[in-house]
Amino acid sequence: AQRVTQPEKLLSVFKGAPVELKCNYSYSGSPELFWYVQYSRQRLQLLLRHISRESIKGFTADLNKGETSFHLKKPFAQEEDSAMYYCALPNAGGTSYGKLTFGQGTILTVHP
Amino acid sequence: DGGITQSPKYLFRKEGQNVTLSCEQNLNHDAMYWYRQDPGQGLRLIYYSQIVNDFQKGDIAEGYSVSREKKESFPLTVTSAQKNPTAFYLCASRTGTGAGTEAFFGQGTRLTVV
Repeated sequence: AQRVTQPEKLLSVFKGAPVELKCNYSYSGSPELFWYVQYSRQRLQLLLRHISRESIKGFTADLNKGETSFHLKKPFAQEEDSAMYYCALPNAGGTSYGKLTFGQGTILTVHP
Repeated sequence: DGGITQSPKYLFRKEGQNVTLSCEQNLNHDAMYWYRQDPGQGLRLIYYSQIVNDFQKGDIAEGYSVSREKKESFPLTVTSAQKNPTAFYLCASRTGTGAGTEAFFGQGTRLTVV
């Protein structure tokens, strides 16, 4: 069964420090992974997707199939990055086709 | 203004009562989802629907029911069989169920059992 694991419920860093939010997955096949973000009092929204290989708001994420990871990184954290972050894995095949699984989420707090 | 609308924003239910949460989208999306968000447990999938008149159980479907009679609407009923219904419920939709498609979320409904 597909699974997404975010081992850190809480992560605190100081402004300007590097930040890495961890995401590990289990999936039989070639995964397409996403990071979603939920800022205070806002809707959950897409931050970036693996397939696009993009950098959004300074964040990047690289798929490592050997380690089954999709960690989210930013070299210099900003206070406005404080939010809840979710890693997500859509199932593109099998009996669970169409299923969209999220991790447990990580609350990032960036201190001034 | 396109998007997903969940109503009501806050809902109070007495124990033993069924209650229905509304989710409407005007994005012409085929796929719709219901999640439950609890502190420390992230988003857990309750039900999802890939197309009208079809839906599948997610990971925590017990005590919930859904219908998908119209493309725009995917209401969730929280039945009295749900042991711990107090939670924040999120509805989402996607253009399709292809792996790379983005999900769009509603603002959520906070259900409290009193």
